[in-house]
Amino acid sequence: QQPVQSPQAVILREGEDAVINCSSSKALYSVHWYRQKHGEAPVFLMILLKGGEQKGHDKISASFNEKKQQSSLYLTASQLSYSGTYFCGTERGDSGYALNFGKGTSLLVTP
Amino acid sequence: DTGVSQDPRHKITKRGQNVTFRCDPISEHNRLYWYRQTLGQGPEFLTYFQNEAQLEKSRLLSDRFSAERPKGSFSTLEIQRTEQGDSAMYLCASSLEGVHPQHFGDGTRLSIL
Repeated sequence: QQPVQSPQAVILREGEDAVINCSSSKALYSVHWYRQKHGEAPVFLMILLKGGEQKGHDKISASFNEKKQQSSLYLTASQLSYSGTYFCGTERGDSGYALNFGKGTSLLVTP
Repeated sequence: DTGVSQDPRHKITKRGQNVTFRCDPISEHNRLYWYRQTLGQGPEFLTYFQNEAQLEKSRLLSDRFSAERPKGSFSTLEIQRTEQGDSAMYLCASSLEGVHPQHFGDGTRLSIL
């Protein structure tokens, strides 16, 4: 089942913050976050494991709310380089670690 | 560490022709995944391998699609009798076994005339 991402798109000015949400109707073990720039391959950002863990690097962090089966990606003090489409991926099931990806959230950071 | 490489980068073919794509994963990665991505959508799972074994194949995947990973190294994805709806970016990714990041190649863009 495909996770649901919100919002679909967001426009920010440089330095502003944004939150991207990823929700699933089934129990999650992990949530994977990727960023894809136009014409390029998706690039790994981070993996969140169940347990409500919060991770981050630089000014991008994420949380995983096991009760709500939801993960949120936080981008603080956004930079122009943050522009792109953000995808969350959730595991397909017990058989392995291939991912179901959401439709993506398009983020544009303007000067 | 050379990343995941895919060949060709672009493929244009006529409807009804067969096409084959190749993916070379990161050398120490034993898991290899194929995804398909169309404009405005996230990557859609097609199939994945652990070493040479194909462990899962999407139910949405037509019988015209077949993938192999001989000797657990590179993988090929073949599409027979291509149709207009097969036009997409075909992405390959690889990872270590377990919950690890998947590293994507730049993809093969397939256009069906």
